[in-house]
Amino acid sequence: EAGVTQFPSHSVIEKGQTVTLRCDPISGHDNLYWYRRVMGKEIKFLLHFVKESKQDESGMPNNRFLAERTGGTYSTLKVQPAELEDSGVYFCASSQDSSGANVLTFGAGSRLTVL
Amino acid sequence: GQSLEQPSEVTAVEGAIVQINCTYQTSGFYGLSWYQQHDGGAPTFLSYNALDGLEETGRFSSFLSRSDSYGYLLLQELQMKDSASYFCAVNTGRRALTFGSGTRLQVQP
Repeated sequence: EAGVTQFPSHSVIEKGQTVTLRCDPISGHDNLYWYRRVMGKEIKFLLHFVKESKQDESGMPNNRFLAERTGGTYSTLKVQPAELEDSGVYFCASSQDSSGANVLTFGAGSRLTVL
Repeated sequence: GQSLEQPSEVTAVEGAIVQINCTYQTSGFYGLSWYQQHDGGAPTFLSYNALDGLEETGRFSSFLSRSDSYGYLLLQELQMKDSASYFCAVNTGRRALTFGSGTRLQVQP
């Protein structure tokens, strides 16, 4: 079974530019999550989709971040305009686990550097 | 708010045993998970404890004390390939997990 794939693996942009990150979850996984890790800090929750619906977007930092999940399949996370503090590694994870463990399968992340 | 505390770095030698602690303060608690992440890779699930006690999976064990809001990951017979970051994560009742800052484990020969 293919894992969670993220694209691009690394993006370097200038402050004020736009970047779109893409995530392809494991096929059939209804739950899709976006997380971000800034250097040395926690893996911080951004938002959660169930199929195409946003279940919880309480972690989105501000309205410069826009996430979509077309048809309940892949998801995109757009940052517009990017600021220096947006630098970090953006992880996508998917899950079909209804147990308490809610095991997440992560992608390898998209490293964003804003100059 | 939610907080999970774990040491930032631990160093140990091959063949040794190492314990990575995690204390948590969260508004809800259903269980504690551990994830491993090698540099540049995806975090991968290691273990989950919902009840007090020790869960063993090969060389790795995980412990939970709900009354102390504390858990740990125990790695035995350390190997070089165990060098990675280890994250504890709490299921607070929301579907999304809340993660700690990670512990970077360096295994030396």
